[in-house]
Amino acid sequence: GQQLNQSPQSMFIQEGEDVSMNCTSSSIFNTWLWYKQDPGEGPVLLIALYKAGELTSNGRLTAQFGITRKDSFLNISASIPSDVGIYFCAGLRGSARQLTFGSGTQLTVLP
Amino acid sequence: GAVVSQHPSRVICKSGTSVKIECRSLDFQATTMFWYRQFPKQSLMLMATSNEGSKATYEQGVEKDKFLINHASLTLSTLTVTSAHPEDSSFYICSARVGGGGTEAFFGQGTRLTVV
Repeated sequence: GQQLNQSPQSMFIQEGEDVSMNCTSSSIFNTWLWYKQDPGEGPVLLIALYKAGELTSNGRLTAQFGITRKDSFLNISASIPSDVGIYFCAGLRGSARQLTFGSGTQLTVLP
Repeated sequence: GAVVSQHPSRVICKSGTSVKIECRSLDFQATTMFWYRQFPKQSLMLMATSNEGSKATYEQGVEKDKFLINHASLTLSTLTVTSAHPEDSSFYICSARVGGGGTEAFFGQGTRLTVV
């Protein structure tokens, strides 16, 4: 079952504002991934994190792998209308082959 | 990133018929592919893990005779929804990880199945 707690569930922000969302777990993960899903499409990988404490950027997106290996956050700076969508965190534990997904954050950017 | 192609993107079928969905890794080999189902405004629910050359591993509660999976090559996995019913209508998504130990998973575009 789902073991990642993702928050917030939804966000309404003004264009130009920064956004932050996070995922936490009671279990340790070896890899954290952040995806964005547009309506009617499959998730697209945004950032992959492999080491505790790692901070990685992809354009206006920044994500960090928590030191405890039980959490991760994603920041989006200077939001624009095309940032609208659902953002999912996903983690990979130990020798597991399948990802564990968060419940998603629905982001709405208001003009 | 690696490309995963899923086909068809949309399909409408009559109740009682079967529908096949294809998932292809275009620029890499995938010994393992994953099939998910997604309900509106919800996260992805893993249905089964598709293993090249062997039987798929199904998650608890997923009927293997209802959702037939075949992974005949390193670049193709198929999901067949047999004797479809309206409650099978959903968004189905496949994903694949690069090689045997890659940790990044790439997703297909998804298939919107509507059973009428």
